[in-house]
Amino acid sequence: NAGVTQTPKFQVLKTGQSMTLQCAQDMNHEYMSWYRQDPGMGLRLIHYSVGAGITDQGEVPNGYNVSRSTTEDFPLRLLSAAPSQTSVYFCASKGGASSPQHFGDGTRLSIL
Amino acid sequence: RKEVEQDPGPFNVPEGATVAFNCTYSNSASQSFFWYRQDCRKEPKLLMSVYSSGNEDGRFTAQLNRASQYISLLIRDSKLSDSATYLCVVNQAGTALIFGKGTTLSVSS
Repeated sequence: NAGVTQTPKFQVLKTGQSMTLQCAQDMNHEYMSWYRQDPGMGLRLIHYSVGAGITDQGEVPNGYNVSRSTTEDFPLRLLSAAPSQTSVYFCASKGGASSPQHFGDGTRLSIL
Repeated sequence: RKEVEQDPGPFNVPEGATVAFNCTYSNSASQSFFWYRQDCRKEPKLLMSVYSSGNEDGRFTAQLNRASQYISLLIRDSKLSDSATYLCVVNQAGTALIFGKGTTLSVSS
């Protein structure tokens, strides 16, 4: 019963490197989202998708790209990592517009 | 004004106490509402949905006031295991969920 799976769980990058955070769900959910969580800031929405081929920006999209080529996968790309992107990243999915979200375990990312 | 605002806390209560958390939201078009619980360094987990008529799940009671754009969570007979951060969450049509910053609860023996 996998649910939402994020990889990797931990990553350290150097400034300027690029990287893709992976997210996959096996619940056939249409909605998927990426959040970052920083101390004192709560969960902030980066990008979201309401179905394959459709993505939109959230509150803090700068420096991140997403794509949704399949229902199952929603990767988050850091184009040129910056120390300000050091955070915990959570991927989530939900089955319907008014449904609650299910979260992955998170990816802890440090940019040096 | 932030879209979802919560009491910042922390709330420090003894076991057996009753504690209430409040939350306000700014978008009157919001359609569904939830309380999530987050333990330290873990992912948020759904605690309960919030319905217009109010709803109860064991020791937890959630209330929604659409006119005042206000949500509450009441925890009765607090347990040590209730210590966590509680997140107020609002869903707007066709988007992802919007989270409040959370209220930290610490229950002590």
